Amino acid sequence: NAGVTQTPKFQVLKTGQSMTLQCAQDMNHNSMYWYRQDPGMGLRLIYYSASEGTTDKGEVPNGYNVSRLNKREFSLRLESAAPSQTSVYFCASTRDGRSYEQYFGPGTRLTVT
Amino acid sequence: EDQVTQSPEALRLQEGESSSLNCSYTVSGLRGLFWYRQDPGKGPEFLFTLYSAGEEKEKERLKATLTKKESFLHITAPKPEDSATYLCAAPTQGGSEKLVFGKGTKLTVNP
Repeated sequence: NAGVTQTPKFQVLKTGQSMTLQCAQDMNHNSMYWYRQDPGMGLRLIYYSASEGTTDKGEVPNGYNVSRLNKREFSLRLESAAPSQTSVYFCASTRDGRSYEQYFGPGTRLTVT
Repeated sequence: EDQVTQSPEALRLQEGESSSLNCSYTVSGLRGLFWYRQDPGKGPEFLFTLYSAGEEKEKERLKATLTKKESFLHITAPKPEDSATYLCAAPTQGGSEKLVFGKGTKLTVNP
């Protein structure tokens, strides 16, 4: 099992460009999450999906959109990147919302210039 | 507002020097307290779940404990490979599926 995979690992964007971060899990988990991690701020939830076809906002959703393509895949899209979105992005999954034992991917390091 | 606060922000220990990390929370109706380990350049890795005051969990040199207001991660005779950032988290109130994370304690164990 690969667990949670994320692509790409690194990305540099110019202000205003768009991109999609991909996440997939092979553990048959129902819930999936997108976080950003910034120095001094800790992990902050952007969006999450409790099941296929459902998504909900987290603490910092502005500037992002998500798609739960199927049970395995959960993508995060930046429509018009801003320097404030420079961060490390983590995808996570868990069996269901009540287990809370989240499995994290390796992260995507995004720089917006 | 649900909050999880960790202290200290950073801790340097000599190999074999035991210590504790603290996690305090202000989440009402706590439905669990979670500890994760994060190595540089990697995603967090789940360590422990604690559900009720007085509960303890152990893994190698780590022991997590929970009271009504805080949790401690005790590190006994640490080794350099225990160096990492340790995160604690709690579910937000209201039955949601979301976790709120503390900012972490960066532990460095010198040989």
